[in-house]
Amino acid sequence: DSGVTQTPKHLITATGQRVTLRCSPRSGDLSVYWYQQSLDQGLQFLIQYYNGEERAKGNILERFSAQQFPDLHSELNLSSLELGDSALYFCASSVDPPSEQFFGPGTRLTVL
Amino acid sequence: AQSVTQLDSQVPVFEEAPVELRCNYSSSVSVYLFWYVQYPNQGLQLLLKYLSGSTLVKGINGFEAEFNKSQTSFHLRKPSVHISDTAEYFCAVSVRTDKLIFGTGTRLQVFP
Repeated sequence: DSGVTQTPKHLITATGQRVTLRCSPRSGDLSVYWYQQSLDQGLQFLIQYYNGEERAKGNILERFSAQQFPDLHSELNLSSLELGDSALYFCASSVDPPSEQFFGPGTRLTVL
Repeated sequence: AQSVTQLDSQVPVFEEAPVELRCNYSSSVSVYLFWYVQYPNQGLQLLLKYLSGSTLVKGINGFEAEFNKSQTSFHLRKPSVHISDTAEYFCAVSVRTDKLIFGTGTRLQVFP
């Protein structure tokens, strides 16, 4: 158990819909990272937040957005969903400066 | 920009045999190197990391890796594998220990 929690574990929805994935970092970690794992793209970095502020952005679509709240939990919002958005979405957290990232169990999103 | 190449998509091996999973990286600046393991339907777990210092790094579950700067490699080794080592293994790099850039993964299949 890494100490990072993600909800829900599974999510099934339809094209065009909007979903929110939630992540709670390890106690004391200020940085949260979001990654997407899909069969065709592999593991890709989406976005990083540090203490409520966006710190780095990767290959995140404009239809996707994220935020980190004062209690340090983070949410990833995915809208206008397409079939290709079906993937495993991981959250990770770290101290700062980071020496390693701790990953949550992931949320498996299926878009039908 | 940084990139990671894992040359072998699958590595079959018999139980108690040694194994090496290969990882090469490309970067114009100094990087930090990581190996993560993903068991079926689970998140990513850190096996070991190289940040600085000794180029031979020991991790959990009997794994070790050697950082070779001249060959830009960070190969993962285990002298004797077990059935329970069957999993997907990911090599990753980061600059200043921020976002991780992952390789495409190597599926290690251990046979009895």
